[in-house]
Amino acid sequence: GAVVSQHPSWVICKSGTSVKIECRSLDFQATTMFWYRQFPKQSLMLMATSNEGSKATYEQGVEKDKFLINHASLTLSTLTVTSAHPEDSSFYICSARVGGGYEQYFGPGTRLTVT
Amino acid sequence: SQKIEQNSEALNIQEGKTATLTCNYTNYSPAYLQWYRQDPGRGPVFLLLIRENEKEKRKERLKVTFDTTLKQSLFHITASQPADSATYLCALDMGSGTYKYIFGTGTRLKVLA
Repeated sequence: GAVVSQHPSWVICKSGTSVKIECRSLDFQATTMFWYRQFPKQSLMLMATSNEGSKATYEQGVEKDKFLINHASLTLSTLTVTSAHPEDSSFYICSARVGGGYEQYFGPGTRLTVT
Repeated sequence: SQKIEQNSEALNIQEGKTATLTCNYTNYSPAYLQWYRQDPGRGPVFLLLIRENEKEKRKERLKVTFDTTLKQSLFHITASQPADSATYLCALDMGSGTYKYIFGTGTRLKVLA
């Protein structure tokens, strides 16, 4: 149980284009979803918290107009990287929280490369 | 500001031995602490959660301790196996009922056959 999927698993895009990443909870309804980015040999950095039907809450320093988050249902959240630049190249990972639980269940991650 | 340190970037141990990983934190008092396993190019996998009022938690070959006085958690893998080789992350809740966590940089464990 508690399986989270992400799509795509990797994507290469040209500078200036937008990329959408999907995060789905497959066998449960996610109360909250979180988006992280991870640079090589570094830890996960929380970007935003997403609750179904409400606006995402962004961490300090994260541009909300650049990283658009839509939590359309209890099983789907999307992250759109708008006007991507090479410095946006990173590993993006989502996680989901179930009900009143404190543990998070992570997706497999999406490797974004901007050329 | 909140700070988390995991004792070493890498740890090599012999198969069958107990691996002990350390997570130290400063400047706050988390109510929950979690440990995750992350394999290269993959998302973290939840292992154990321990609450501030719990001293120890076990799950199969895994054991976690949480010392709120020392501001430290220890993560043990007994009878380690090469398949346990991975990066292990500790994560502490950011409080205020947000369910958000701050992650350490991880310890890369390698179990030698």
